Amino acid sequence: GAVVSQHPSRVICKSGTSVKIECRSLDFQATTMFWYRQFPKQSLMLMATSNEGSKATYEQGVEKDKFLINHASLTLSTLTVTSAHPEDSSFYICSARDILAGNNEQFFGPGTRLTVL
Amino acid sequence: AQSVTQPDIHITVSEGASLELRCNYSYGATPYLFWYVQSPGQGLQLLLKYFSGDTLVQGIKGFEAEFKRSQSSFNLRKPSVHWSDAAEYFCAVGNAGNMLTFGGGTRLMVKP
Repeated sequence: GAVVSQHPSRVICKSGTSVKIECRSLDFQATTMFWYRQFPKQSLMLMATSNEGSKATYEQGVEKDKFLINHASLTLSTLTVTSAHPEDSSFYICSARDILAGNNEQFFGPGTRLTVL
Repeated sequence: AQSVTQPDIHITVSEGASLELRCNYSYGATPYLFWYVQSPGQGLQLLLKYFSGDTLVQGIKGFEAEFKRSQSSFNLRKPSVHWSDAAEYFCAVGNAGNMLTFGGGTRLMVKP
């Protein structure tokens, strides 16, 4: 149980284009999903907290107009990188919390490698 | 603010040897503590977690960790390392709102 998927797993795009990454909880409902960014050989940095049916909460220094987050259902959150630039190239990982689990465990997706040319 | 420090960036051990990965945290209340493992290009897999109760926590793949409040530590241990354990290990602390803060990670290499 508690599987989280991400799509796509890998994407290459041209500078200036927008890229959408999907995060799905496959066998549980998640009122809260989290988006992280991981640069090579570095740790995960929380970008934003995505709450179903409401606006996302962004961490300091993360541009909300550049990283659009939508959490329209209890099983899907999307991250759209708008007008992507090479410095946005990174590994993006989402996680989801099972609302019925009664604890503070997050389940992580396999990640999406974004390369902006 | 919560924070996590993993003092060792790289550790190399021989296969079959014991392992201890250090983790120190800073948190104002009783923390929720986690250890995750990440293989190259992959997501994170939970090894074990501590929320409350017994301070010695057993996890998957033969790993265990001990919560020591007096030392603000949550070190990960394994009595005998296998070559397949080579990976990046992350310690994390969470608050009641479920926000996780990760340490910088420790890359484990296993010598044959």
